[in-house]
Amino acid sequence: DVKVTQSSRYLVKRTGEKVFLECVQDMDHENMFWYRQDPGLGLRLIYFSYDVKMKEKGDIPEGYSVSREKKERFSLILESASTNQTSMYLCASSLRSGAETQYFGPGTRLLVL
Amino acid sequence: DAKTTQPPSMDCAEGRAANLPCNHSTISGNEYVYWYRQIHSQGPQYIIHGLKNNETNEMASLIITEDRKSSTLILPHATLRDTAVYYCIVGPRGFQKLVFGTGTRLLVSP
Repeated sequence: DVKVTQSSRYLVKRTGEKVFLECVQDMDHENMFWYRQDPGLGLRLIYFSYDVKMKEKGDIPEGYSVSREKKERFSLILESASTNQTSMYLCASSLRSGAETQYFGPGTRLLVL
Repeated sequence: DAKTTQPPSMDCAEGRAANLPCNHSTISGNEYVYWYRQIHSQGPQYIIHGLKNNETNEMASLIITEDRKSSTLILPHATLRDTAVYYCIVGPRGFQKLVFGTGTRLLVSP
């Protein structure tokens, strides 16, 4: 079974802090994704990556950056956390371009005070 | 723009079939219908997808109308563990991002 793990289930940070969210997948998937989920808004794509060191902006990249130095790891960075970034963050991976099935991690619930 | 329309909530008795509808009247010829679900406090989970033929796997069946403007996800014998939010998504093969709407909250009761 594909396993996607995220570094934390719950995280509390202060406004202005730099925040790192880590995601690791163990199935050699090419594509990795970061979403945020907010009540009433569904899931929104922040960034995705289709290869090591490659990244593409999603629908809401502002205030975020990403890093993919190794195939199995995709990091989401909040350069200066703000209260409107309080959300559930979900990482996903898929085998290759054109693969319909995305496998999601359990999510990180981030609270920015 | 929302590409799919789903009822906000549905109830189902344990052991009975759960039929979850989805309208996608603007679906294009090359777009597939995908279903995911999200159990509380977990990440979304892929269920099934199809283009125009009905599909079945170990989790569910997908019935797509002939005009492809709507579909129904069928859980043949719902259990309490099927309580979740179910998302219907349309997109072309090879698309990179999933656009989740607000889905249908299915409550399976004893």
